[in-house]
Order: sequence, then structure tokens, then C-alpha cells
Amino acid sequence: GAGVSQSPSNKVTEKGKDVELRCDPISGHTALYWYRQSLGQGLEFLIYFQGNSAPDKSGLPSDRFSAERTGGSVSTLTIQRTQQEDSAVYLCASSLGGGSQYEQYFGPGTRLTVT
Amino acid sequence: GENVEQHPSTLSVQEGDSAVIKCTYSDSASNYFPWYKQELGKGPQLIIDIRSNVGEKKDQRIAVTLNKTAKHFSLHITETQPEDSAVYFCAASPHNFNKFYFGSGTKLNVKP
Repeated sequence: GAGVSQSPSNKVTEKGKDVELRCDPISGHTALYWYRQSLGQGLEFLIYFQGNSAPDKSGLPSDRFSAERTGGSVSTLTIQRTQQEDSAVYLCASSLGGGSQYEQYFGPGTRLTVT
Repeated sequence: GENVEQHPSTLSVQEGDSAVIKCTYSDSASNYFPWYKQELGKGPQLIIDIRSNVGEKKDQRIAVTLNKTAKHFSLHITETQPEDSAVYFCAASPHNFNKFYFGSGTKLNVKP
């Protein structure tokens, strides 16, 4: 079946502009995660959605970052007033959710370049 | 918060040899430890995982060991093949899986 998809695959933006990154999780997956991966580094947790619960936003690096998940499915990560240090690959993952349904399936990522 | 450290950062082995990657974690509340393989231009893919109530788990050429007392876990790949070449990440998560903490990655190169 279809996996996690992300769009766009690449995004180049000028410093100071806002960007929106989209994630389509696997159908039926209630848990959704956003991560940031800087060049040659590990994944940095950003935000976690589980069903209708309030999201865990503890990983968002600044108030320029926000995320929404509409209808428990598609999620959008928004970065306002982008800075050069925001350049990274942004990865989305989903899982079935629940106590024993924790395997994460990752999308291919969006490579963001801020010039 | 949790801190996951991973070693080595790069590992080069001859085809057929074994490869071992080690991770340590700091938070005793972590109880789920997955390992991911990431190929160039792709998202990470789960290859094996272990829960804190299990000491070792094996799946064909891949095994993971967990020492909860010492707070470390390791990935073992036997009979390595060139297609095993990739970046491998360890991670740790608390019981409610609300977040995952990743190691910095190990670039494995298997020379034919």
C-alpha cells in the first residue's frame, strides 16, 4: 500500500519568507511525528500528534515553527520568517499508535534550503 | 531529557565480516529501542527493535542486545554484504512513544 508521502521534495526559499511542508501519513495511522535532520546529523524530534489529543510540541525550536494536523490525517509544518539555520531535511513519520502499535514509517523528507 | 550517544560515527568492514554499532542512553524511563537504516535520499527504515523486558533479539543476520542496567544497546550485523552499506541510527523512546531520541548515526561501508 501507499507509504508516507511528503511534499515538496525540495524547497528553496529566501531568508525571511514563510514555508509550508506537507505530510500525508499512512491511512489509518493515528500517530504522526515531525523530525528535523541537519546534514550528517541524527534526527531531532519536533512535534508529535496522537489522535485527537493535544500535540506534544516540546521539540519545536522556536515560536517560528508550528504544525497542524487536520482531520487526524494530513499534517502541515509551517516555518515563519525562515533563517539560514532552518536549512535541513524535514522528515515525517506515522504509526498506528496505541500501546503496542509503535513502529514508525518515515516519508522521504523535504529538503529545505534557505538562501 | 533523554540523551542518546552512538559510536562509531563511521565503520568500514570487509564483505562477510561482522559489524557492531553501540549506543548508550541516559533516561531509565526509556523502554523501546529501535534501529533504523537510512539510504541516501530516503527516510529511515526500521530494521529491528527491542523492548526493555528483552535482552536480545535476532532477525536473520541482524541482532540487537540490550543491557538495561548499564543503559546501553548494540546492533550486530553478521556476514555483511555491500547492500548493508548505509547510515544506521539507534533511538530510544519512553513507554508512551510520544517522542523518539536518535543517536547521531553510523555510516557503515561494506567493501566488496
